[in-house]
Amino acid sequence: AQSVTQLDSQVPVFEEAPVELRCNYSSSVSVYLFWYVQYPNQGLQLLLKYLSGSTLVKGINGFEAEFNKSQTSFHLRKPSVHISDTAEYFCAALMNTGFQKLVFGTGTRLLVSP
Amino acid sequence: NAGVMQNPRHLVRRRGQEARLRCSPMKGHSHVYWYRQLPEEGLKFMVYLQKENIIDESGMPKERFSAEFPKEGPSILRIQQVVRGDSAAYFCASFPDGAYEQYFGPGTRLTVT
Repeated sequence: AQSVTQLDSQVPVFEEAPVELRCNYSSSVSVYLFWYVQYPNQGLQLLLKYLSGSTLVKGINGFEAEFNKSQTSFHLRKPSVHISDTAEYFCAALMNTGFQKLVFGTGTRLLVSP
Repeated sequence: NAGVMQNPRHLVRRRGQEARLRCSPMKGHSHVYWYRQLPEEGLKFMVYLQKENIIDESGMPKERFSAEFPKEGPSILRIQQVVRGDSAAYFCASFPDGAYEQYFGPGTRLTVT
């Protein structure tokens, strides 16, 4: 069975500091990986995705993630965060076994303070 | 191209009433997923639909919940005889043939009183 684990439920950080949000997945099949951001009372917006190719993926708003197959990880990073990055971040894996099904982690709340 | 639309954005129902949630996918998208998000939790898959077909409803509760995606019009998630435990945010997502990225709507927040 496929699962996605986000160990950190909340990550507090000061403005302009770097941040890493961790994501690990378990799957016996090839996976496609995604990071979504959710602002309060809004839907999910895609930050970045890994389908194939380069393991370092760049997304919107200065975020990037690195796919590490040996460690089954897909951690999200940003070198310098802004107050406006305060939001919930979800890692998701797409299982492709005849049809698509997105499996989500439980989310990490990023709290950026001045 | 307008994004995925969901309405209503907020819905309040008393226990025992019916809730109807609508989702209009992006133009050209023939695949729709419904997800449920409980407070402090991630999104959980409920059902996957294509036009006029239910492809997978393994995430739907067996009773009271149903979904459809007719040839014309929006996809509908219907919850009969709502209970307090149904209070959650319900999101739909759509994508076109051959794509992997799902586009999410803003969600419907259902409150059962």
